[in-house]
Amino acid sequence: EDKVVQSPLSLVVHEGDTVTLNCSYEVTNFRSLLWYKQEKKAPTFLFMLTSSGIEKKSGRLSSILDKKELFSILNITATQTGDSAVYLCAVPNYGQNFVFGPGTRLSVLP
Amino acid sequence: DSGVTQTPKHLITATGQRVTLRCSPRSGDLSVYWYQQSLDQGLQFLIQYYNGEERAKGNILERFSAQQFPDLHSELNLSSLELGDSALYFCASSVAVADNTGELFFGEGSRLTVL
Repeated sequence: EDKVVQSPLSLVVHEGDTVTLNCSYEVTNFRSLLWYKQEKKAPTFLFMLTSSGIEKKSGRLSSILDKKELFSILNITATQTGDSAVYLCAVPNYGQNFVFGPGTRLSVLP
Repeated sequence: DSGVTQTPKHLITATGQRVTLRCSPRSGDLSVYWYQQSLDQGLQFLIQYYNGEERAKGNILERFSAQQFPDLHSELNLSSLELGDSALYFCASSVAVADNTGELFFGEGSRLTVL
């Protein structure tokens, strides 16, 4: 069965800290891995990764994929209170639906 | 704004009732997905439509049904509602070509409360 696992499930840090969120997956016919940020409502797209070893970066956020070891990490440097959210990892499977992990709830304290 | 529109935003109803949630995908997106998110739970895939046809089915209860219309909007029908059906229901759309590498764009969700 296709699955996506994320760790940690919950994380509390202080502003300025750097965090690393993990996502591992088992899906048939892997094509891509996506990261989303969910605050109060709809998940918003952060990154899509398709190739191993190529870092994607957007401001203080960056992500990388390892297709050999079947995982991805999302790094957030110099965290701010506005980074507090649930971070979701998703992988489209062979059945053409997107399998989501349980998410990592990040709380950034001032 | 993702371009995906969901209505209603909030809905309160009683057990045993039936409701319909509506979704308009982004312009040009042929694929619509429905997800359920209960309190402190992850996103559970319900069903996917592509250009009017059912493409994939997840853990969707028999009391739930969906369809996608020729204009590509989709409706999710929930009947014989139970307390446990209270959740946030998301619609998402994507270009969804055959190799499915496109990203998902989410609507703001419909929050259903069953009393």
